[in-house]
Amino acid sequence: SQQGEEDPQALSIQEGENATMNCSYKTSINNLQWYRQNSGRGLVHLILIRSNEREKHSGRLRVTLDTSKKSSSLLITASRAADTASYFCATSGNQFYFGTGTSLTVIP
Amino acid sequence: NAGVTQTPKFRVLKTGQSMTLLCAQDMNHEYMYWYRQDPGMGLRLIHYSVGEGTTAKGEVPDGYNVSRLKKQNFLLGLESAAPSQTSVYFCASSYVVGETQYFGPGTRLLVL
Repeated sequence: SQQGEEDPQALSIQEGENATMNCSYKTSINNLQWYRQNSGRGLVHLILIRSNEREKHSGRLRVTLDTSKKSSSLLITASRAADTASYFCATSGNQFYFGTGTSLTVIP
Repeated sequence: NAGVTQTPKFRVLKTGQSMTLLCAQDMNHEYMYWYRQDPGMGLRLIHYSVGEGTTAKGEVPDGYNVSRLKKQNFLLGLESAAPSQTSVYFCASSYVVGETQYFGPGTRLLVL
């Protein structure tokens, strides 16, 4: 079964709003990563957070990790139409698992 | 610096035919991976390699074989294609196992 599950499956927001997506996983991890996939393209790495970190920032991205709850969240602030894509979490432990993804649509 | 490239971009096979997907990376990465992506399933790891000449099974290895004869290349083979193998296949590589992966553009495979 999938290690990571994203929530929500789909999200539609207006440009300028913040977008939050969540990821839950099942087993212990070394790190958790977030990737973006534009339609018909390969995945692009966004950010990596290690198991001993609680929060990380990169530009308009903010990632949190709660290992006690086995969950992570990705916040995109001041969203843009170009942020429209699918976002996947990926956990790295004994093996590497991707979640099922959140489809984000940012309406101009 | 091309990153990760995949050949071919699109292929149609008949059930029972065989084919090889080629992945190449020019970043001198030790680790390479093959995934398949199906609607609503996310990416699932098929096989991976931790270095030239070594491969290991991932989450869904059945029906696939791989080879890593050269560090920069990772081949995925389908010996007898089945309709269940219709999918988009992605190759990725990383410098450190389990850390940032760099993806190719994908190969769309349709098995009739």
